Amino acid sequence: DVKVTQSSRYLVKRTGEKVFLECVQDMDHENMFWYRQDPGLGLRLIYFSYDVKMKEKGDIPEGYSVSREKKERFSLILESASTNQTSMYLCASTAGRPSNQPQHFGDGTRLSIL
Amino acid sequence: KNEVEQSPQNLTAQEGEFITINCSYSVGISALHWLQQHPGGGIVSLFMLSSGKKKHGRLIATINIQEKHSSLHITASHPRDSAVYICAVRSMNYGGSQGNLIFGKGTKLSVKP
Repeated sequence: DVKVTQSSRYLVKRTGEKVFLECVQDMDHENMFWYRQDPGLGLRLIYFSYDVKMKEKGDIPEGYSVSREKKERFSLILESASTNQTSMYLCASTAGRPSNQPQHFGDGTRLSIL
Repeated sequence: KNEVEQSPQNLTAQEGEFITINCSYSVGISALHWLQQHPGGGIVSLFMLSSGKKKHGRLIATINIQEKHSSLHITASHPRDSAVYICAVRSMNYGGSQGNLIFGKGTKLSVKP
């Protein structure tokens, strides 16, 4: 079974801090995604990557950056955390280009910015 | 206007009832996904459809490409089916080669014993 592991289930940080969210998948998937999920808004794509060192902006990239130095790891970075970035963050991966496979999700990180 | 609309937003059922959740979309798609999210956050892929019907246990998913509509049915519902069910589509024009999805806002299902 595909395993997508997010480094933390719960995280509390302060305004202005630099925050790193880590995601690792163990199935050699090409494509990885970062989403945030907010009540009433559903999942929204922040960034995605289709290869090592490649990244593409999703629908809401402002205030975020990403890093993909190795195929299995995709990091989301909040450069200077703000309270409006309090949310549930979900990582996902999928195989193939073009990809016609289901996305596999991590368990999510519930991030609170105080 | 959202490109993927789900109905209802919230659904409460008694154990044993037959449940239907609907999803309509407005874009051309290559595939439609049904996902399940339990309290606590993890999301599991239930089905991926491009035509017709799929069945897994008590879950059935159908899609009508011409009408741009899909349904998820749960037969003999059980309290453990309580979750948020999310419809997502892979648009032909939105990062489809990377597997990008457009998500509905979800249907929260609560099954009472």
